[in-house]
Amino acid sequence: DSGVTQTPKHLITATGQRVTLRCSPRSGDLSVYWYQQSLDQGLQFLIQYYNGEERAKGNILERFSAQQFPDLHSELNLSSLELGDSALYFCASSTTPTSGNTIYFGEGSWLTVV
Amino acid sequence: AQTVTQSQPEMSVQEAETVTLSCTYDTSESDYYLFWYKQPPSRQMILVIRQEAYKQQNATENRFSVNFQKAAKSFSLKISDSQLGDAAMYFCAYLRAGNNRKLIWGLGTSLAVNP
Repeated sequence: DSGVTQTPKHLITATGQRVTLRCSPRSGDLSVYWYQQSLDQGLQFLIQYYNGEERAKGNILERFSAQQFPDLHSELNLSSLELGDSALYFCASSTTPTSGNTIYFGEGSWLTVV
Repeated sequence: AQTVTQSQPEMSVQEAETVTLSCTYDTSESDYYLFWYKQPPSRQMILVIRQEAYKQQNATENRFSVNFQKAAKSFSLKISDSQLGDAAMYFCAYLRAGNNRKLIWGLGTSLAVNP
């Protein structure tokens, strides 16, 4: 158990819909990351937050948005869903830069768009 | 831009034997971290081992060890006494030191363990 909690574990929704994925980082971790893993594209970095502020942006679509709340949990919002958005979405967390730099992953949220 | 290359899409090993997975990377940075993650069929991403670039000593975690060659930009993973539970996809990843901590991933090596 990495200590990173993601909900829901599985989600099936229709095209055009909007979903929210939730992540609670490990206790004490200030950084949260979102990754997308699809069958044909491997792992893609989406976005990073550090203590509530966006810190780095990757290949995140404009239809997607994220935020990190004062209690450090994070949400990834996916809207106008398309079939190609079906993937495993990972949340990960890490401590501050001065202590370890190891990134721990949650178990992922399976999203299926039908 | 940094890149990570895993040249072996698939490998297999007999139970109890040793196998080495290859990883090379390209960077102009001097301070960074390298990781091996394991992804079993459950798709959970599990940290196997990590290496700080400033350390010359190779990291070891039980049956898992790395051969870190900084000048050659090589970071291979050795699994000793392979077990059936080691069967998984293994990803090599690079992380630049600092606040912008975007992991750069290889495409993975699928490891099969034969009984």
